[in-house]
Amino acid sequence: EAQVTQNPRYLITVTGKKLTVTCSQNMNHEYMSWYRQDPGLGLRQIYYSMNVEVTDKGDVPEGYKVSRKEKRNFPLILESPSPNQTSLYFCASSPRTGEDKILVYEQYFGPGTRLTVT
Amino acid sequence: GQNIDQPTEMTATEGAIVQINCTYQTSGFNGLFWYQQHAGEAPTFLSYNVLDGLEEKGRFSSFLSRSKGYSYLLLKELQMKDSASYLCAVASGGSYIPTFGRGTSLIVHP
Repeated sequence: EAQVTQNPRYLITVTGKKLTVTCSQNMNHEYMSWYRQDPGLGLRQIYYSMNVEVTDKGDVPEGYKVSRKEKRNFPLILESPSPNQTSLYFCASSPRTGEDKILVYEQYFGPGTRLTVT
Repeated sequence: GQNIDQPTEMTATEGAIVQINCTYQTSGFNGLFWYQQHAGEAPTFLSYNVLDGLEEKGRFSSFLSRSKGYSYLLLKELQMKDSASYLCAVASGGSYIPTFGRGTSLIVHP
């Protein structure tokens, strides 16, 4: 089954304790992205990756790191989590289409990770 | 960047038709997307418009006017399961990566 998986689905942690949220897709998509979703603010992009070893900042990258060492995986790292990073996080992937394969088309989202930092 | 505006919340009756509007201010338009998101779940893709006009897909249709910076999602024969948030996303300004609006929460009542 074509899917995007995230782990863990739920996490409660304390300020300053490093954590990693994993994301994996089995559709051979070049593009992957991380979003956070907060009430009243919608989906905001944290980081994205157009292909292996290529990552870029989104709209809200502060306090986060990512890596893309292989096509299927795109982990999100919080080196020193703070309470303002309490949120619902989504990973997404998409094929790149169109001329020169620059268009990010339909995005497939993972089930979400609900993170609470106390 | 782009400024994307959608109503925060709408209500409608089962069996009726509802239109959810999305306006945007941007340059270099590269496409507009609609996603559906049920509470506590991941967004799922509904439609993509890059040319002016109406795209119909079953009970859902999406319309785009590039000159007016305007799109709408039309839902016909509403069902209770259509209660969800509807997210408008726009790719523009030299980027082919869409930015999401804050979403419209649709409540369908009997």
